[in-house]
Amino acid sequence: AQTVTQSQPEMSVQEAETVTLSCTYDTSENNYYLFWYKQPPSRQMILVIRQEAYKQQNATENRFSVNFQKAAKSFSLKISDSQLGDTAMYFCAFMKPSTGANSKLTFGKGITLSVRP
Amino acid sequence: DAGVTQSPTHLIKTRGQQVTLRCSPKSGHDTVSWYQQALGQGPQFIFQYYEEEERQRGNFPDRFSGHQFPNYSSELNVNALLLGDSALYLCASSSRTYEQYFGPGTRLTVT
Repeated sequence: AQTVTQSQPEMSVQEAETVTLSCTYDTSENNYYLFWYKQPPSRQMILVIRQEAYKQQNATENRFSVNFQKAAKSFSLKISDSQLGDTAMYFCAFMKPSTGANSKLTFGKGITLSVRP
Repeated sequence: DAGVTQSPTHLIKTRGQQVTLRCSPKSGHDTVSWYQQALGQGPQFIFQYYEEEERQRGNFPDRFSGHQFPNYSSELNVNALLLGDSALYLCASSSRTYEQYFGPGTRLTVT
């Protein structure tokens, strides 16, 4: 079974600064997907960024980028130029790919990020 | 294009009662997954429906059951409610891809 660990329960960052959220996972699979989801107080779970394990290049989406270290089973999220709207709970998640059905997400416990004005 | 919708938004039930939660997937999606999110925790996978059948199930008791209709919408039923069933229930839809789109959730409170 796969496990996802987010050891930092809370983090705080000043607006416009950069923050890195950590995530480690454990799996015996070689091919898989990793995700960071954002859940603001509105509760809607929003996909921030995804990484395919077979790709060596780290994924980037505007101000969000990841540092994917496959051998170390580490998947951190870097948020640059933090904005007040980034305040939310962030979840790291793992998925073993299949034909579409039977693809479940395994989530970490999440980290609460607060952006200070 | 409507995203994933869930109803109701909130509901309060008493221990021992039964509850039904509903989910309509994003247009074009045929797979629905249900997750339970306790307060301050990450979502836990309950089960997934595809082609009107339960395809995979997480570590949840038989009190949790579901259904998928021909229009791909889905229901989650929980019988004999316990206080520990109080949580946010999230529905996610997908279509033979790895990307799951989540609904806003249903907050269930059991008293």
